[in-house]
Amino acid sequence: DTEVTQTPKHLVMGMTNKKSLKCEQHMGHRAMYWYKQKAKKPPELMFVYSYEKLSINESVPSRFSPECPNSSLLNLHLHALQPEDSALYLCASSLVRAVGIEQYFGPGTRLTVT
Amino acid sequence: GENVEQHPSTLSVQEGDSAVIKCTYSDSASNYFPWYKQELGKRPQLIIDIRSNVGEKKDQRIAVTLNKTAKHFSLHITETQPEDSAVYFCAEGGNQFYFGTGTSLTVIP
Repeated sequence: DTEVTQTPKHLVMGMTNKKSLKCEQHMGHRAMYWYKQKAKKPPELMFVYSYEKLSINESVPSRFSPECPNSSLLNLHLHALQPEDSALYLCASSLVRAVGIEQYFGPGTRLTVT
Repeated sequence: GENVEQHPSTLSVQEGDSAVIKCTYSDSASNYFPWYKQELGKRPQLIIDIRSNVGEKKDQRIAVTLNKTAKHFSLHITETQPEDSAVYFCAEGGNQFYFGTGTSLTVIP
């Protein structure tokens, strides 16, 4: 298996809902990432996990809560989101978190907050 | 670090012509420079990358050049085809991945 998968593909949620995004890879990668991408903009890094430990949180609001239950899975728990949080949420993984290591992206979850 | 400038933001070329996209960066410690292609509604896909120990790398119609002294690197696409139409992002992979602002390339048949 040489790809990163994400579910769901699309998600519509209200501002009071709680939902989760899921990401999975079976390439043995030990670094996993969450990015947020608005239309016509580059991906913006949100969180980095290295060996299942959170190593970077790029000042993301607490309504986004990441979780890495094991080396293959990465979740992003969502609660009390705002309409401006609507975006494409991309998961990525790399062999390790190190300088010069290629990142592989999942297909993304298109999130709409109403 | 975080400053990766990418130009142009939009680019239209006739099919068969070449396209060139340029990026500049500020972190002297950066040593990995990937280029991603993102088609509408799809994931970014790595198309070519270069490390700081080489000045140029080529893969069929795609090439990347790196000038570490001037801190800039460029993507060159020759013999462009309509399927090359997409948004292209450069990135600087030092301690973090920082993406350029993107170039929307349109290849006109």
